[in-house]
Amino acid sequence: TQLLEQSPQFLSIQEGENLTVYCNSSSVFSSLQWYRQEPGEGPVLLVTVVTGGEVKKLKRLTFQFGDARKDSSLHITAAQPGDTGLYLCAGGDSGGGADGLTFGKGTHLIIQP
Amino acid sequence: DTAVSQTPKYLVTQMGNDKSIKCEQNLGHDTMYWYKQDSKKFLKIMFSYNNKELIINETVPNRFSPKSPDKAHLNLHINSLELGDSAVYFCASSQVGKRQYFGPGTRLTVT
Repeated sequence: TQLLEQSPQFLSIQEGENLTVYCNSSSVFSSLQWYRQEPGEGPVLLVTVVTGGEVKKLKRLTFQFGDARKDSSLHITAAQPGDTGLYLCAGGDSGGGADGLTFGKGTHLIIQP
Repeated sequence: DTAVSQTPKYLVTQMGNDKSIKCEQNLGHDTMYWYKQDSKKFLKIMFSYNNKELIINETVPNRFSPKSPDKAHLNLHINSLELGDSAVYFCASSQVGKRQYFGPGTRLTVT
């Protein structure tokens, strides 16, 4: 069974600070995805990383996929209260199959004004 | 123009009852999924359904059964509900191997 460990589980910081969330696995994933989930809604995809060492930027968010495709990180620069939410990493299977995603347990992020 | 919709949004029922949750997608996707999110927000795949092929997570009790009347629908039927079934259930869809789109979730409370 593939597992994804996310850390930290909870993070509360002040507006303007930087933060990094980590997602680690002992297994190789064909892709790694980051989702954000708001209360009462389903997860919404932020980014997919596929290539080892890949870095993607989405405004103040920077996503990195480890060289061995077993780990990923999400870095937020100058966090804002609107960044508050549950961040989930998820690993995709190989071969383009129909297996579902393997999710980490999430990081609850609170940005205080 | 909702992409993935689920009904009902909330479902409160007693132990032992049988209930169904409906899911519809209008994205023309060929694969649909059911996930369960527990009280600690951990999301876990239950089923995926692609071209009449059902892939089941082996940890899912056989009281849970997905039913797909057509390619755009994947309903979840639950027999003999138990307290531990209380959770938020999410439906999702995708083209096989591509990005998944999630529905808004159904919060099931078993009393």
